[in-house]
Amino acid sequence: AQSVTQLGSHVSVSEGALVLLRCNYSSSVPPYLFWYVQYPNQGLQLLLKYTSAATLVKGINGFEAEFKKSETSFHLTKPSAHMSDAAEYFCAVSLDSGYALNFGKGTSLLVTP
Amino acid sequence: DTEVTQTPKHLVMGMTNKKSLKCEQHMGHRAMYWYKQKAKKPPELMFVYSYEKLSINESVPSRFSPECPNSSLLNLHLHALQPEDSALYLCASSQEGGRGGTQYFGPGTRLTVL
Repeated sequence: AQSVTQLGSHVSVSEGALVLLRCNYSSSVPPYLFWYVQYPNQGLQLLLKYTSAATLVKGINGFEAEFKKSETSFHLTKPSAHMSDAAEYFCAVSLDSGYALNFGKGTSLLVTP
Repeated sequence: DTEVTQTPKHLVMGMTNKKSLKCEQHMGHRAMYWYKQKAKKPPELMFVYSYEKLSINESVPSRFSPECPNSSLLNLHLHALQPEDSALYLCASSQEGGRGGTQYFGPGTRLTVL
């Protein structure tokens, strides 16, 4: 079955610094991969989605992710962190069965002034 | 428009109460989902409806009863809940069920069971 592992439950960056959130996947078939963001007391918002059309996927709010098959990775990056980026970030993979998403445990991003 | 709405935003109930959570989407999506999310954890899938039929029940206790009256509306009826059921309940929808479909989430209902 498909799964994702997020490395680092907490990441802290300075405002203006590079954001790098790590996600590795396990899948026997070409995966559909997602990054979602959750701000405090809110639902999940889709940042971006990988569907095999392009290895570099651009999302909202300046985020992008690169699919690397050789490394089974789908890391999320943003060149310059804003205070408003502080949130919980979830990587997810679409399961073979069709409906379900298998979420990683999440990474909490802290942005310091 | 990718909006999924949920009401109420907050709900406090006793263990003997009966209450319902409501979810609505007007994107023409044919698959709708209920998730439960505990603090600092990822969402856990509870139910999936596809074309208004229950497709997946992830072994959820019968004190949670889903209902899909039409393609835009999804309810979750709650009865005799336990304090451990306190959580954020998220609704989501996707264009269709099936692998790779993008799920759009609502803001959630924060449930507290006393």
